[in-house]
Amino acid sequence: GNSVTQMEGPVTLSEEAFLTINCTYTATGYPSLFWYVQYPGEGLQLLLKATKADDKGSNKGFEATYRKETTSFHLEKGSVQVSDSAVYFCALSDPTNAGKSTFGDGTTLTVKP
Amino acid sequence: EAQVTQNPRYLITVTGKKLTVTCSQNMNHEYMSWYRQDPGLGLRQIYYSMNVEVTDKGDVPEGYKVSRKEKRNFPLILESPSPNQTSLYFCASSLGAGEVDTQYFGPGTRLTVL
Repeated sequence: GNSVTQMEGPVTLSEEAFLTINCTYTATGYPSLFWYVQYPGEGLQLLLKATKADDKGSNKGFEATYRKETTSFHLEKGSVQVSDSAVYFCALSDPTNAGKSTFGDGTTLTVKP
Repeated sequence: EAQVTQNPRYLITVTGKKLTVTCSQNMNHEYMSWYRQDPGLGLRQIYYSMNVEVTDKGDVPEGYKVSRKEKRNFPLILESPSPNQTSLYFCASSLGAGEVDTQYFGPGTRLTVL
């Protein structure tokens, strides 16, 4: 079956530091890839997505590139802010069954002033 | 305001007492899904629905039932809850069932089964 493996957390950074959260996946075919963010006490919301190889998703200073060769979709941000503190989930949609989604375990990011 | 709502937000119950968690969306979305979130396990899909009267199992369907009689509602039913169903539950919806569609999540329901 499909799987998503995320870099283990928690991750603690100082404000303005560079962020990378690693995500690799296993799937049959070419899934769509997503990053969702969950702020404390809230549901998940889409951060960015990419639907085919070499696509780059970007939003709010975050970026991730769909790498088919390495089956990866790492999340990056050049300069984090305290307001970026949240849990980040990498996810994929099954290319052979549109209804099925697989999420990673989530990575908790804390940014300190 | 476009949103997914869930009720109740918090529930404490006892083993074996049937319960229903409601989910409703006002975006005319075709696709709806239920997930549970547990520490160290991320989000796991319970059931999903591609459209009215069409439902299918996710990765962890045991102990749960769903129905989709109307497009906007997708209730999650626990016929005989057990302590291992203590979890944080999220409902989500998306415009279509296509793999590229963004899912919109509800605020979550925290369930404790004693």
